Parts: sequence; C-alpha cells; structure tokens
Amino acid sequence: NAGVTQTPKFRVLKTGQSMTLLCAQDMNHEYMYWYRQDPGMGLRLIHYSVGEGTTAKGEVPDGYNVSRLKKQNFLLGLESAAPSQTSVYFCASSYRTTPNNEQFFGPGTRLTVL
Amino acid sequence: AQSVAQPEDQVNVAEGNPLTVKCTYSVSGNPYLFWYVQYPNRGLQFLLKYITGDNLVKGSYGFEAEFNKSQTSFHLKKPSALVSDSALYFCAVRANTGGFKTIFGAGTRLFVKA
Repeated sequence: NAGVTQTPKFRVLKTGQSMTLLCAQDMNHEYMYWYRQDPGMGLRLIHYSVGEGTTAKGEVPDGYNVSRLKKQNFLLGLESAAPSQTSVYFCASSYRTTPNNEQFFGPGTRLTVL
Repeated sequence: AQSVAQPEDQVNVAEGNPLTVKCTYSVSGNPYLFWYVQYPNRGLQFLLKYITGDNLVKGSYGFEAEFNKSQTSFHLKKPSALVSDSALYFCAVRANTGGFKTIFGAGTRLFVKA
C-alpha cells in the first residue's frame, strides 16, 4: 500500500513555463485535495475533488488548473508559472463517508519558479 | 468564517518534560478538530481528532488533546516529551455544517532538547 504518492519531488521552472504535478492514491478515496504550504501560512487549499470527473476551487485557485479523470489520480497544472507560485505542494485524499475523516498526505513537491 | 490560531511559532521543551502546543479555533456550528504532525521533508501525518463525546482525545505516539468548548481551544499535550517528537505541528478545523473545507493553522515548531 503506497498511500498517496506525488511526482515529481522537486522542480525548477522559469517564469512562464508550464508543468503538471501528479498525485496518485491507492486507498480508493473519493476526495482529493491540492494544498500549497508557505512559511508561516500553514496549508492553503488550491483545488479539491469530491469524485471522479469533478473538481472545485479552494482558497487560492488562481493560476492553477486541475483534473480528475480517474478516481485514483488528481493532476495540478500550472499553465504559466510565476515566482509567486514558488512553494511546496501537497496532495491529500480522504474517505467520503463522513466529513470528519482525516486526510492522508503525500510527501510533497518542492517547486521553485525563477 | 472558520479560522485556526496557533499562537506560538515555536515551543521548546526538555526531554522528559510535559509539552503543550496551543490551538484555538473559530467556526460556525460544532467543530471537527484535528492535529497533524510534519517531519522534515515529509507530508503531514494524522495524530488525532475530536468529533464529539469525551473532551480528552488520545492519539498516536502518546499524544492527547483536550477540547474546551467555552475557550474554543484544542491544545495538544504529551506527558513526557521525546527528542523524536521534534517536528512541525498543525491544528486544523472543519465545520460540521457541511462542505469539505479544512482550515489549517500556521503550524508550531516543537523542539525537544535532550
């Protein structure tokens, strides 16, 4: 059981470049989330999904897009990277049954935009 | 609006001494409260949660947390700290009024000195 995995682990982009972060989970979770973590700000929700084929905006969605074509995968895209998107990105997933379920996190992707 | 405050950026404690990491929250309706721990270069790991019932919740690695409704607090505690407890701790809250949004605090770094 790998849990939640993220690729890549590290990435350096130039301003204006694009990239996709991949999240995969093998726990058959319905819900998946993308967060960014910045010093002193905790985790902020970018986008989330409550099931295959559905996505919704979180707190800080601007500059990001997501897709959930398969239940086990949740992709985060940056179409035109900006230095303000330098951050550590975490994917998480959780069970559907009740809203009090804890989230399971991936190891993170450290992104630097120059 | 939901919010979480962790008033201390860092907590220092000697090994063997009790530790407390503070958390206060604001939410409409009854809260679901969580504590997560993050070790260096890792994703967040779930420690414990309060849903309803007993105000003292026990979790992983000997941690416990006390829910205080009148003070809107959910402080994390451990009777005897270990050096290996040194990590970043996040408090999180979700309202039980529906929705999927979990609000995370900014985090408190715990440093346990041998």
